[in-house]
Amino acid sequence: DAGVIQSPRHEVTEMGQEVTLRCKPISGHDYLFWYRQTMMRGLELLIYFNNNVPIDDSGMPEDRFSAKMPNASFSTLKIQPSEPRDSAVYFCASSSPGRAAPSSYTEQFFGPGTRLTVL
Amino acid sequence: GEDVEQSLFLSVREGDSSVINCTYTDSSSTYLYWYKQEPGAGLQLLTYIFSNMDMKQDQRLTVLLNKKDKHLSLRIADTQTGDSAIYFCAEHGAPYGGATNKLIFGTGTLLAVQP
Repeated sequence: DAGVIQSPRHEVTEMGQEVTLRCKPISGHDYLFWYRQTMMRGLELLIYFNNNVPIDDSGMPEDRFSAKMPNASFSTLKIQPSEPRDSAVYFCASSSPGRAAPSSYTEQFFGPGTRLTVL
Repeated sequence: GEDVEQSLFLSVREGDSSVINCTYTDSSSTYLYWYKQEPGAGLQLLTYIFSNMDMKQDQRLTVLLNKKDKHLSLRIADTQTGDSAIYFCAEHGAPYGGATNKLIFGTGTLLAVQP
């Protein structure tokens, strides 16, 4: 298995431009997570999906951020317009619970991340 | 609220033991996890412990859980330079509309191993 795939690995853009980050989860996983990592704020959960449906988007910073999951094998995180404070590493992760019970054992598999720099 | 706290930095010499500490908030969390992030990479699950256990050992790794104090620790014996990384503890987030696989990650501890 190729693991979680993210593209691009690096993105440099200018303030005001639209940025689209892409993620392909591990086949068969029904949960997908988007995280943002910065030195100041650590690792933040932005949004997660279950069976392509957004479950919790309370971590999305503001309306400039949007995420979609049109099918089980693809998700995008879009920032429009981008700002310098959006500069961070964005991770996608996927998981598949062994049991349906809440808080049962789960392992999240992370992609390599996209390093975004907004000038 | 949900908050998982860790010290930010730990420096040890190669061959010494490392102990990374974590405090968590959700006493109902059934599993607690340690993830490792190497430079330029995503997080990887390192080990976990079920909440009815006090200790779990896995080769050089020992996880200790004190449920009363909501304290979790990771001990790495005979620390090697390859262990240099950021270590995150994590607990389950509160269920949102039913079952959840949401994890709450700590702030991360940067472990620097000096040769």
